[in-house]
Amino acid sequence: GENVEQHPSTLSVQEGDSAVIKCTYSDSASNYFPWYKQELGKGPQLIIDIRSNVGEKKDQRIAVTLNKTAKHFSLHITETQPEDSAVYFCAASRYSSASKIIFGSGTRLSIRP
Amino acid sequence: DTEVTQTPKHLVMGMTNKKSLKCEQHMGHRAMYWYKQKAKKPPELMFVYSYEKLSINESVPSRFSPECPNSSLLNLHLHALQPEDSALYLCASSQEAASRTEAFFGQGTRLTVV
Repeated sequence: GENVEQHPSTLSVQEGDSAVIKCTYSDSASNYFPWYKQELGKGPQLIIDIRSNVGEKKDQRIAVTLNKTAKHFSLHITETQPEDSAVYFCAASRYSSASKIIFGSGTRLSIRP
Repeated sequence: DTEVTQTPKHLVMGMTNKKSLKCEQHMGHRAMYWYKQKAKKPPELMFVYSYEKLSINESVPSRFSPECPNSSLLNLHLHALQPEDSALYLCASSQEAASRTEAFFGQGTRLTVV
């Protein structure tokens, strides 16, 4: 069945350094890859997404890359700040009506001051 | 307005109780979802509604009963739950268009079954 693997499960970086989270997916028909940030006691919040016709997308300190051939996609956060501390989920889905969103297992990111 | 509103935020119920979770969005989205999230786990899909019709049921036990009264509202009726059903229940919505599948999540209802 469809599966999304995410690594690492926990990540601690010094404030100001970069953080990278990696995901792989199994469903070759997946064509939409969102990233969600979930803070304690809150619902997941979409922070960036990428579609299969694009290899890279950037929004200020956040960037995502997609390698369709290898079925890999990654989240890069530069110049990390304390407010970046949260759990991050990658996900994959297909363009279709009411499609399933398959989540990775999550990465707990901690920013050390 | 890019908000999905869930009520209540917290709910404690006994195993013989009947309760309902509510979700509302006013973004004109025609797909709505219920997810269940256990601690330190990703959200797990339960149900998907498309144009107010149930399109996906991920083999959820019948003690969970979804309802979509109109395009803005989604309910989850709970009856005879078990303690292991305690979790964060998340509602989400997305636009029903092939090129726009961004899902917006509510803050969730923290359910405790005693």
